[in-house]
Amino acid sequence: KAGVTQTPRYLIKTRGQQVTLSCSPISGHRSVSWYQQTPGQGLQFLFEYFSETQRNKGNFPGRFSGRQFSNSRSEMNVSTLELGDSALYLCASSLSASGRGEKLFFGSGTQLSVL
Amino acid sequence: GDSVTQMEGPVTLSEEAFLTINCTYTATGYPSLFWYVQYPGEGLQLLLKATKADDKGSNKGFEATYRKETTSFHLEKGSVQVSDSAVYFCALVDNAGNMLTFGGGTRLMVKP
Repeated sequence: KAGVTQTPRYLIKTRGQQVTLSCSPISGHRSVSWYQQTPGQGLQFLFEYFSETQRNKGNFPGRFSGRQFSNSRSEMNVSTLELGDSALYLCASSLSASGRGEKLFFGSGTQLSVL
Repeated sequence: GDSVTQMEGPVTLSEEAFLTINCTYTATGYPSLFWYVQYPGEGLQLLLKATKADDKGSNKGFEATYRKETTSFHLEKGSVQVSDSAVYFCALVDNAGNMLTFGGGTRLMVKP
């Protein structure tokens, strides 16, 4: 069974641009969550999608958005990039909505560098 | 809100040494607790979990016990190996089953 696949693996953008990251969950998984990982802030929750609906949202500005398609694949978009958006963006999938005792499977992440 | 606090790293040990990484949490009710591990260049992997008080999670020689009275979930291993070098994250999911809240991570470096 293939794992969680994130593309691209690395991305370099300049301030003011926008970027779209993609995540393909494990086959059969319906929940996709996104996290931002930085050395200073650690892992911070961005949002979670379940059956194409946003179920939870973290404390990030509206420049960060996401969506989920009918095949459970998810994309996240960051508009008007800022230097502080440089981070490793991790996607995780789970069989059902992430919750008590639920096991998340993480992708290897997309390393975004904003110059 | 919920929060998880881990000891700051890096933790540097020699092979076969005893490992403890402290983790304490703040949450209402009875959260589920997790340890995730991140090897260099990879995403996070679930290491172990405990879903109720006094439960002990264990995997690959690592153990952690859910202590409700001290709100702690310390990670231990009796004899570390070089291959255990990674970043370890303590995390919780609250009663309502919302998103994972992670600690800041602790980098472990094991020297031969």
